[in-house]
Amino acid sequence: GQQVMQIPQYQHVQEGEDFTTYCNSSTTLSNIQWYKQRPGGHPVFLIQLVKSGEVKKQKRLTFQFGEAKKNSSLHITATQTTDVGTYFCANTGNQFYFGTGTSLTVIP
Amino acid sequence: DAGVIQSPRHEVTEMGQEVTLRCKPISGHDYLFWYRQTMMRGLELLIYFNNNVPIDDSGMPEDRFSAKMPNASFSTLKIQPSEPRDSAVYFCASSFRNQPQHFGDGTRLSIL
Repeated sequence: GQQVMQIPQYQHVQEGEDFTTYCNSSTTLSNIQWYKQRPGGHPVFLIQLVKSGEVKKQKRLTFQFGEAKKNSSLHITATQTTDVGTYFCANTGNQFYFGTGTSLTVIP
Repeated sequence: DAGVIQSPRHEVTEMGQEVTLRCKPISGHDYLFWYRQTMMRGLELLIYFNNNVPIDDSGMPEDRFSAKMPNASFSTLKIQPSEPRDSAVYFCASSFRNQPQHFGDGTRLSIL
């Protein structure tokens, strides 16, 4: 079946450092959604990308959708302790599935 | 606006017992999803409904698991009989078409 893999699985950074998580699919994706789950919480929608090569920004967060629509990335500039959590990518085209997630720890 | 409402928030029961998890989706949403989350397996899609009809239940672990959606405002996930390996956080989510999914707070299930 179709899978969406995320790397890395875990990432520890010092506060102020940048962070990037990558989402890769073996097949073309109709869209990419990104979610954040705080420890003990539930996934919360961040953003959706639809177009090939699309780039969107939310404050310190930059989201990209690959030209071939098979990969995506989330980059956080100058991480803060509030960025702690697990970041998931998801596809909601003809099928619905979430990526494996990247757990981010920010060390103060 | 009320979000997705799940009950109970926590459930502790002995193995072999029947467990029923409940979900009320956001009004107007036509998709409903059940997920299971564990440290080992991450976030797994169990089943989803579109307009109350089950579309894909390939993620349901085995026959002990069943899900129903008798109407647009209510769904249940039942485990019978329950086993310790079913311990996890179960999330319900709803969406309108392929728009973002809204998750409930989850049910933390512990099978002793």
